[in-house]
Amino acid sequence: GAVVSQHPSWVICKSGTSVKIECRSLDFQATTMFWYRQFPKQSLMLMATSNEGSKATYEQGVEKDKFLINHASLTLSTLTVTSAHPEDSSFYICSYPSDRGKNEQFFGPGTRLTVL
Amino acid sequence: AQTVTQSQPEMSVQEAETVTLSCTYDTSESDYYLFWYKQPPSRQMILVIRQEAYKQQNATENRFSVNFQKAAKSFSLKISDSQLGDAAMYFCAYSRGQKLVFGQGTRLTINP
Repeated sequence: GAVVSQHPSWVICKSGTSVKIECRSLDFQATTMFWYRQFPKQSLMLMATSNEGSKATYEQGVEKDKFLINHASLTLSTLTVTSAHPEDSSFYICSYPSDRGKNEQFFGPGTRLTVL
Repeated sequence: AQTVTQSQPEMSVQEAETVTLSCTYDTSESDYYLFWYKQPPSRQMILVIRQEAYKQQNATENRFSVNFQKAAKSFSLKISDSQLGDAAMYFCAYSRGQKLVFGQGTRLTINP
């Protein structure tokens, strides 16, 4: 399967600051990418679909101005959590859809964000 | 909207035994995909098995197999000869188009 990396893998920040998370596909290109959030002991919830060269599509209930997504290239997408608060503490996971069809997605290893 | 339900928050099995994880889903579509993903303590999501709805034959991958009942909208995962490395959270997921909808997950414990 494809290799997807995320950076950083773990970050702690102070309340009110912004944090950027990078997601890279290392061996293929994709025009679409997904960002998920996973709270402790819960499932993955889709936050937004990132589209290369255009605006991201956000799921209902996700604040666009708080979670800024930039799909800068076919191999890089970034998620910036702006003015982070403790309730934003979560595990953030990105994924790329497979180019083999069959609706498969390749997931990054995730980023754990802790806001103090 | 499509929903996926996993009614077993936790399951445990003795090593080398067989365990079945349950999943039901709701959709009005006839063509879609179903998946089981594994999330070990590392948190990396790993695809275990995939089922295409138009295929009647149940998917199998080595020790992993599914029981796909399309009319009942049921998609259970059977793990045979359970191994300690199978311990993880297991998520059932539905997909039509590119988006995935996940169930709540089942934590599987393997007892040595």
